[in-house]
Amino acid sequence: DGGITQSPKYLFRKEGQNVTLSCEQNLNHDAMYWYRQDPGQGLRLIYYSQIVNDFQKGDIAEGYSVSREKKESFPLTVTSAQKNPTAFYLCASRVFPEGGAGGDEQFFGPGTRLTVL
Amino acid sequence: AQTVTQSQPEMSVQEAETVTLSCTYDTSESNYYLFWYKQPPSRQMILVIRQEAYKQQNATENRFSVNFQKAAKSFSLKISDSQLGDTAMYFCAFSVSYGGSQGNLIFGKGTKLSVKP
Repeated sequence: DGGITQSPKYLFRKEGQNVTLSCEQNLNHDAMYWYRQDPGQGLRLIYYSQIVNDFQKGDIAEGYSVSREKKESFPLTVTSAQKNPTAFYLCASRVFPEGGAGGDEQFFGPGTRLTVL
Repeated sequence: AQTVTQSQPEMSVQEAETVTLSCTYDTSESNYYLFWYKQPPSRQMILVIRQEAYKQQNATENRFSVNFQKAAKSFSLKISDSQLGDTAMYFCAFSVSYGGSQGNLIFGKGTKLSVKP
C-alpha cells in the first residue's frame, strides 16, 4: 500500500538534545512538507522540499533543520535552539508536476507527538 | 501575504442534521485553490473537498459541499445528514496556483465539530 509513514509515534526529548523525526513516502511524490500543530493554532509550515537536494524554509523554520537526500525521505531535526518544541508534527507529500499548477492534494502521515521533559 | 480565518472555534450538530462551517481568506492572487481537511481524533489529516478558484461551480463530494464566493473571499463547508463519524477538527486551507510557493498550504486555525446522537 502506498502512503506516508512517520516514526516514532511518540518522542520524548530532554532539554538541550537534538532529535530527528522520520518521514518516508512511497507515493513517488516530488514535494514533501513538515508542519507543526499546536492547540488552537492550526498547522504551520516548517520546511518544504520540491525536489531532491533542495529545500526551503517555511514560516517557522528557526530551531529546525531538514535534509532531502532521497526522493522518498525528508527527515526533520529539532535542535536545541528550538525553545518550545513540544507539539504534534505532521509530514506531507504531493505531486509537483513541472509547469503544473499547485492544486494537487497533499497527503499526510500519521504524525509524531514530541514532548520535552 | 495570504491568510485564512475560521471564525467558529467549536460547533455542534445533531446527527442527521445539516451544519455549515465558515472560512474566509485574504489574497491578491487570482489563481488559487481552496481545501477543507478533516482531522478526526486519530489526528490523521484527510482531504474532504477541493475548489479551484477559476471554477464558478461549487464543488461537491457526497454529503459535503462548498459555497464558494470569490468576490467575498468566502469558502464555507456544508455537511448534510451529519454522521457521528463526522466528529473532527475541520481545517480550511489555501494554496496559490503558481510560483515558488505553489502547493504550499496555508491553514486556518480550525473548527472543532461535534456530532451528537
